[in-house]
Amino acid sequence: AQSVAQPEDQVNVAEGNPLTVKCTYSVSGNPYLFWYVQYPNRGLQFLLKYITGDNLVKGSYGFEAEFNKSQTSFHLKKPSALVSDSALYFCAVRGYNFNKFYFGSGTKLNVKP
Amino acid sequence: SAVISQKPSRDICQRGTSLTIQCQVDSQVTMMFWYRQQPGQSLTLIATANQGSEATYESGFVIDKFPISRPNLTFSTLTVSNMSPEDSSIYLCSVDPGGARSDGYTFGSGTRLTVV
Repeated sequence: AQSVAQPEDQVNVAEGNPLTVKCTYSVSGNPYLFWYVQYPNRGLQFLLKYITGDNLVKGSYGFEAEFNKSQTSFHLKKPSALVSDSALYFCAVRGYNFNKFYFGSGTKLNVKP
Repeated sequence: SAVISQKPSRDICQRGTSLTIQCQVDSQVTMMFWYRQQPGQSLTLIATANQGSEATYESGFVIDKFPISRPNLTFSTLTVSNMSPEDSSIYLCSVDPGGARSDGYTFGSGTRLTVV
């Protein structure tokens, strides 16, 4: 079965500091992993994905994520947080039949000035 | 990537009534997906809408409660029937236009439903 877990409901970080939003996964076969962001009153927006290749994936708005197969993790990172990064972040894994996405519970990121 | 227009953006409805949510895509897509996001929770897939056939519902969701139409490859509707306060959620449609190596779903902006 495919699933992802986001162990932190909320992450607080000061502007300018690095941020990490954690995600671990459980999949059958090769993982297809994604990060999405949801701003208030908005739909989800794609940030980045890992399909294959380099374990460090770069995405939109300066975000990146590191795929770690041995730890079954796909943590989202950014070297220097902005107040405008404050939003709800979802990790997702694509189902083996490519027709479904399984979303984590979401992590609320609060970046304070 | 595809652009999705979802209507209405929000609504406040009386219990026992029904609301139909529309999702229009600017390109033809094989499958459209309807999700529910309950307050403070993650997204749960309601059903997959295929053009020309009945929608496929996930466990816990039934056609009588959430009838779906898919008349063509660019449009779908989701109806929330006989609403109760427990149906208060954000409902999102999404599409996956690119296949296995795509950027995944493109989401509509969502419909925020409040049932009173």
